[in-house]
Amino acid sequence: EADIYQTPRYLVIGTGKKITLECSQTMGHDKMYWYQQDPGMELHLIHYSYGVNSTEKGDLSSESTVSRIRTEHFPLTLESARPSHTSQYLCATWEVGPQGWETQYFGPGTRLLVL
Amino acid sequence: EDKVVQSPLSLVVHEGDTVTLNCSYEVTNFRSLLWYKQEKKAPTFLFMLTSSGIEKKSGRLSSILDKKELFSILNITATQTGDSAVYLCAVKKSGGSNYKLTFGKGTLLTVNP
Repeated sequence: EADIYQTPRYLVIGTGKKITLECSQTMGHDKMYWYQQDPGMELHLIHYSYGVNSTEKGDLSSESTVSRIRTEHFPLTLESARPSHTSQYLCATWEVGPQGWETQYFGPGTRLLVL
Repeated sequence: EDKVVQSPLSLVVHEGDTVTLNCSYEVTNFRSLLWYKQEKKAPTFLFMLTSSGIEKKSGRLSSILDKKELFSILNITATQTGDSAVYLCAVKKSGGSNYKLTFGKGTLLTVNP
């Protein structure tokens, strides 16, 4: 299993604040992802990266931005938080094993509440 | 547009019951189907299926894929309260640079004592 760490785990913040959600992994995986998930709803991919200095927008449009300066870290930033950004944010990596086995592993998530 | 549809959306059973969760998909260039269990936090990986008709098993959980009919089922026998969770189905497409998953909405399973 991949070791994926997300901080903070819970964040309550006021409108207009800049926030950065941290995601780090210790397995050296090239591919990393950010998903947004509202309560009771499906996962939506908002950003992904296939390696250092590579970032792409996902299927769901998001006002957040990401960076990938190091393999281990994939932080997500909101320049000006709004109540509509309230959600759970999940970071994930992609692992490819022997004989074509592959899967996505998830971090514990950050629950964000913007007041 | 790629689609992954899970049914039922919600299911309530008693401990000891057997449940079957369904996942149908419509994607071009199908590569694999994955099942995850999501309790209060992040999804945890259960199975990956790529070949039709081959059952994957882990304890009381098992899953099988039908590539002709484009669906998969996840079976849980002798359910326990700890099985209560959202079960997510996801599909991966083939292609050298395609490492994304399309998720269904999930099935919320509640197992009552």
